[in-house]
This record gives sequence, structure tokens and C-alpha cells, in this order.
Amino acid sequence: DTAVSQTPKYLVTQMGNDKSIKCEQNLGHDTMYWYKQDSKKFLKIMFSYNNKELIINETVPNRFSPKSPDKAHLNLHINSLELGDSAVYFCASSQGARASNQPQHFGDGTRLSIL
Amino acid sequence: SQQGEEDPQALSIQEGENATMNCSYKTSINNLQWYRQNSGRGLVHLILIRSNEREKHSGRLRVTLDTSKKSSSLLITASRAADTASYFCATDPLGNYQLIWGAGTKLIIKP
Repeated sequence: DTAVSQTPKYLVTQMGNDKSIKCEQNLGHDTMYWYKQDSKKFLKIMFSYNNKELIINETVPNRFSPKSPDKAHLNLHINSLELGDSAVYFCASSQGARASNQPQHFGDGTRLSIL
Repeated sequence: SQQGEEDPQALSIQEGENATMNCSYKTSINNLQWYRQNSGRGLVHLILIRSNEREKHSGRLRVTLDTSKKSSSLLITASRAADTASYFCATDPLGNYQLIWGAGTKLIIKP
């Protein structure tokens, strides 16, 4: 009964392709996030949704498009993949609308490698 | 922008010793959180300490917060091999609604 699950775990693809990563949480949380962790382990917020509504949209290329069909799911679609997109992408969730004052629960990450 | 900075970047100690990691930040905060990340896994929440708290405990973990120095420390007592992981602090700056993360301390516990 994984709390935050994301698929796939590994994604190896060619530059220029389009790919999607899916995330689901069964914790009943209101807020979900996408983070990017680079090779130096630095974690950067990309997007945050609260009850299907976008609340944080950091400076991310518009090739990245999040979609939240319901509050338990937050998917990330990436168009025209570039070498610099290689990283680990984490989905997370937390309770409440102001999520920075609540613990966040993370999935195990999707390791994206661009060839 | 990077708010929290952990120190040291890497720490290697013998099993049974205590491990101390520090986090410094730049702006006033509502709270500070510590997380653990095992290799190849997601981050796991350890402790949240609010700006009006000075110390919190959870099992072998002790977190302190000094808002005058804008710093926090995470102490792991009687370390075990299973504590080998990267440890991150994340701050919740005033007027912001997202966590700002440091680059982490890599802790290695030698058997």
C-alpha cells in the first residue's frame, strides 16, 4: 500500500522525444508536487497543485506540462526532451492548502536519462 | 533560490558514534524540516520544528533551532548502519508557500 507511487521508475529515451510520468497518492492529501533533483542532489520545486488547481509554477520550460485529473493524481508530460532534462523527478504530496508547513511524502522517483 | 545550506557536505563516522549535521539559512522562517534520503529512494520526513520551538526529539533524533543565528542542527545518537543516507533541511520562509531545500549532507556509517 504505497502512499505516493510514481511510474515509471526508470525512463531512458532519445533527445527530442515526448514522455510522461505518472503519480498517484492514496493519503487523501490536498496538495501534490513535482520536484527535480539534479546530479548534485539539489532539489528544486517545479509545480504544485492544490485540489487540482495549479498554485506553484516555478520557472520551468513550457515543454513541461503538469496535469491533475483529480486530487489524487498529478502527471508530468515533457515535450521535446533535451539532454539537460536528465535528472530524477520526484512526486510528493502533503495535507492542507498551505503545504509548506506540513510534512511532505515523496515517491521513489523517476530516473530520466536522455541519450 | 537555495535557502538552506547543510554542513558538512559529507560525514563518515563509526557505528555507535553520534552524528551532527547543521543547516544555515538566510531569511526568517515559519518552520524548518529535516528529511532523509536513502540511495535510490524518495525523501522521508523526519522532524518539523516551528520558529517558536528551540528543540524537538524523535527517537534517536534531536533537532535544535536557533532563529537568532538562522541555523538548525540534527543530531543522530548511537548511529547505525541503516542511518547511512543523505539528510536535507528544508525551510519555509515567511511570506512564501513552498519549501526551499539545501543540497544535503551525505552521512556514511562504517560498521
